[in-house]
Amino acid sequence: EAEVAQSPRYKITEKSQAVAFWCDPISGHATLYWYRQILGQGPELLVQFQDESVVDDSQLPKDRFSAERLKGVDSTLKIQPAELGDSAMYLCASSLTDVVDTQYFGPGTRLTVL
Amino acid sequence: QKEVEQDPGPLSVPEGAIVSLNCTYSNSAFQYFMWYRQYSRKGPELLMYTYSSGNKEDGRFTAQVDKSSKYISLFIRDSQPSDSATYLCAMSLVRSGNTPLVFGKGTRLSVIA
Repeated sequence: EAEVAQSPRYKITEKSQAVAFWCDPISGHATLYWYRQILGQGPELLVQFQDESVVDDSQLPKDRFSAERLKGVDSTLKIQPAELGDSAMYLCASSLTDVVDTQYFGPGTRLTVL
Repeated sequence: QKEVEQDPGPLSVPEGAIVSLNCTYSNSAFQYFMWYRQYSRKGPELLMYTYSSGNKEDGRFTAQVDKSSKYISLFIRDSQPSDSATYLCAMSLVRSGNTPLVFGKGTRLSVIA
């Protein structure tokens, strides 16, 4: 069964350092999402891509976060500089189209900022 | 008040019990309702999806939506230890397009053998 791949699975960094997370969606999935899930909370959308274009990044803290999906396939989410409050699970999801009930989530990257 | 409220639990039940998980919401424009299951250290996986009011059954799982009360429920019959996970409700204004899912906090369920 096809899955969304994410790496690394765990990342520990110090505040003010730069971190990057990678996501490889299910093959053929045009829509890709990055979510942040703080411990004890539900996921919150950071950015949504349709192919290589950003369609929603209204909740992305653009002063420190950036996301790209250059060839419309895999994607990278970067934080620079990391802050203590960025400690969370970063989830990537993909779907064939932008239909809400067809999102498949990856296992996530657990970020700890010290 | 958050758009979607969900009791975080934790909820602990014996094996075989009927489990009821609930969410309330404030935005009456939500039309699509989903339940996700999230095991520890994993991403959420979609369990059930319903549109508007009514019931939907899938095996041991039943999803119920009451739009007049802005209340949704997930029932698990004959609960098993493998059902131990966090259950997240999520909702959307439309089925497709540039409208994000709004998630509840999740309810942590433990089914004790």
